[in-house]
Amino acid sequence: KAGVTQTPRYLIKTRGQQVTLSCSPISGHRSVSWYQQTPGQGLQFLFEYFSETQRNKGNFPGRFSGRQFSNSRSEMNVSTLELGDSALYLCASSLSGGNSPLHFGNGTRLTVT
Amino acid sequence: GNSVTQMEGPVTLSEEAFLTINCTYTATGYPSLFWYVQYPGEGLQLLLKATKADDKGSNKGFEATYRKETTSFHLEKGSVQVSDSAVYFCARLLEGGYQKVTFGTGTKLQVIP
Repeated sequence: KAGVTQTPRYLIKTRGQQVTLSCSPISGHRSVSWYQQTPGQGLQFLFEYFSETQRNKGNFPGRFSGRQFSNSRSEMNVSTLELGDSALYLCASSLSGGNSPLHFGNGTRLTVT
Repeated sequence: GNSVTQMEGPVTLSEEAFLTINCTYTATGYPSLFWYVQYPGEGLQLLLKATKADDKGSNKGFEATYRKETTSFHLEKGSVQVSDSAVYFCARLLEGGYQKVTFGTGTKLQVIP
């Protein structure tokens, strides 16, 4: 069974640009969550989608957005990039939410210059 | 507030030494508790979980017991190996939390031969 796939693995962007990251969950998983990982703040929850609906959202500005498609694949978008957005962005999928465990992808490393 | 606190790293041990990584949580209600492990260049992998008080999660020689009276979920292993070198994250999911998992700051473990 294929794991969670995130593309691309690495991205370099400049301030002010926007970026779209992609995540393909494990087959059959309907919940997709996104996390930002930085050395200073650790892992922080961005949002979670289930059946194309955002069910939960973390404390990030509106520049961070996401969506989920009917096949459960998800994208997150960051507009007007800032230097502080440099981070590892992790996507995780789970069967349905509740207390089913998260299965993480290897992440997308975003560098903003 | 609702948070997860785990011991500062890095932790350096010799092979076959006993490992304890402390984790305490605050929460109203009855959260599910997890330990995740992150190897260099990879996403997080679920190591073990416990969903109710006195549950013991175990996997690959690691164990952790959900202690409601002390709000703790300490990770232990009787004999570590070099291959256990990684960053370990304690995490909590509130009831009805829709995958909004709160992670500790992570504890880096280095096992030397």
